[in-house]
Amino acid sequence: DIQLTQSPSFLSASVGDRVTITCRASQGISSYLAWYQQKPGRAPKLLIYAASTLQSGVPSRFSGSGSGTDFTLTISSLQPEDFATYYCQQLNSFPLTFGGGTEVEIK
Amino acid sequence: EVQLVESGGGLVQPGGSLRLSCAASGFTFSDHYIDWVRQAPGKGLEWVGRGRNRATGYTTEYAASVKGRFTISRDDSKNSLYLQMSSLKTEDTAVYFCVRSLPYRSFDIWGQGTMVTVSS
Repeated sequence: DIQLTQSPSFLSASVGDRVTITCRASQGISSYLAWYQQKPGRAPKLLIYAASTLQSGVPSRFSGSGSGTDFTLTISSLQPEDFATYYCQQLNSFPLTFGGGTEVEIK
Repeated sequence: EVQLVESGGGLVQPGGSLRLSCAASGFTFSDHYIDWVRQAPGKGLEWVGRGRNRATGYTTEYAASVKGRFTISRDDSKNSLYLQMSSLKTEDTAVYFCVRSLPYRSFDIWGQGTMVTVSS
């Protein structure tokens, strides 16, 4: 199974901050990586697919990069509505797996 | 509106069975793969399984943790997918989401989830 390690697992940031979350795969997954945002009590929402393609309707302050084993999700200027938990997911091979999540809290 | 709506969750005893349903609307259900993802209380996301479409023979995939106990089926005439769960364990307690799956790309549409509690 492909393990995805997200870091940090928790971060505290202020509105306007630039935030970067990393996701490392235990083996190469090309660009078959997606990022999701989840708010408490809600279903996850797709942000990024194919490692760097922004899903329709997602603000441009979100961006993704990477390929192979190392990936990043960047929020260029954190907004109040961005405080949530973020998950990466690999779609390269079964079983499909998710990272452990990164909770972004208001400082 | 494109949406998925789960139903069928509830409280069940260990060793029991439950069937979840996922009703789709707003898109051509028969063209798409639909997956199940679960989230235990306070925990992260876990992929459960996939139901492929008619074009790929309605084949399925399962996570090791549920293989042999859970079965995915679908009824394209009803725009619905099902998750039959048997031999339930306390560790199956979770919110179960059905998702529209784009292979090698993403889960782009999520249902609101249905809670399954396995407890005596």
